[in-house]
Order: sequence, then structure tokens, then C-alpha cells
Amino acid sequence: GAVVSQHPSWVICKSGTSVKIECRSLDFQATTMFWYRQFPKQSLMLMATSNEGSKATYEQGVEKDKFLINHASLTLSTLTVTSAHPEDSSFYICSARREYYEQYFGPGTRLTVT
Amino acid sequence: AQTVTQSQPEMSVQEAETVTLSCTYDTSESDYYLFWYKQPPSRQMILVIRQEAYKQQNATENRFSVNFQKAAKSFSLKISDSQLGDAAMYFCAYRSLQGPVIFGPGTSLSVIP
Repeated sequence: GAVVSQHPSWVICKSGTSVKIECRSLDFQATTMFWYRQFPKQSLMLMATSNEGSKATYEQGVEKDKFLINHASLTLSTLTVTSAHPEDSSFYICSARREYYEQYFGPGTRLTVT
Repeated sequence: AQTVTQSQPEMSVQEAETVTLSCTYDTSESDYYLFWYKQPPSRQMILVIRQEAYKQQNATENRFSVNFQKAAKSFSLKISDSQLGDAAMYFCAYRSLQGPVIFGPGTSLSVIP
């Protein structure tokens, strides 16, 4: 089956620093990748959609200068949280899809900002 | 914009019994996909079942089945012979043909031994 990995699984950073989360499709080429955010006991909220080689499309209310998304290749997308603050602490889940195929989810990354 | 609603924040079921989780959605599209995802404490999203809107037949996967009512925009999940491992958050989700998966607020299912 299609596997999506994320790294790291858990990261702790200090307020004001930046942190990068990687999302990889391990056994398929992902034409589109998605980033979601999930607060405790809440649902997954779509943050942005990115196509390989194109700028990401952000959902309303998501600060594109704060959450930098780079879909550098058909197997890798990165989410960089810039100048992180405690309110950015959350669970970030990436998802990848081949054209016309199912959307597969990574295991998530827990971000804690102290 | 598409929306997904789950009116049951929490549900419980006795082991071996049957439980039904409710979901409604709103869309102006005629063709789309509907899903039920399970999120256990590990937080890995697990696809439980998928329904294509153009198919009238309700999808079934072992103990899991759906009741898809397109006109009513209703998509409920029935879990038969509930097991302790079924305890998790369940998310109803919608996807247009080219769009991303959009999730409902979730239902927390407890299974009582």
C-alpha cells in the first residue's frame, strides 16, 4: 500500500525559533500534498494544499508567512513554522495523493513550543 | 463550501453489540467521495470505508457498513459486533473529485466490555 512518513514525530522548540517538518511519500509519487492541523480533542483542519513545483494554496485564516510550505519534489513536502509561539503547539498531519487516487495520511508530528 | 456535520460528540456501545454513527454533509457537487476514518490514540488516520457518490449500493467492509442517502445528504456508519479495538475517534469526511479531504468534527466511540 501507499505509505506516507513524517519526520520528526515529536519536536520541542523554544518560542521564537523556526522548526521544519518533513513529509515523504515512500512508494509513490505525490502530485498533491496537504497539510492539516489538529488541536487536542478536535478535528483535522486543512491548512494548505500544494502541488509539486507550484506555490501552496492556503486556507482562509492560515498565515502563509508563518507556515511555509515547500513541495520540492514528487515525494517530499516540508512545512516550516517560523517564529513559533506556544499557540502554534499542535499536531500536524500531512497527506499525499497521486492524481485521481486515494489521499494517504502520515502519522503526524507533535509540535510543542515552550 | 462543503461542510460535514457529526451530531454525536460521544457514543458508547457494549462489546458485541451494534452502533450507528451519524453524519450529514452539504455540497452542490453531484459526484464526490465520502469516507469514514478512524483515529486511535496513536493518532494515525485509518480509512475505514469509502463510498463513491455515483454508486447507489452502500459500501461494506467486514463489520463496517454505511447507509448512504444521497438526496438527504446523509452518510451513517454501522459497526456490527463491536470490539474493544473499535474504540477511537471516528471522522466522517468528504472529498470532491479533485479537492482535499474535509473532515467532520468527529465522534468519540467507547466500547464497554
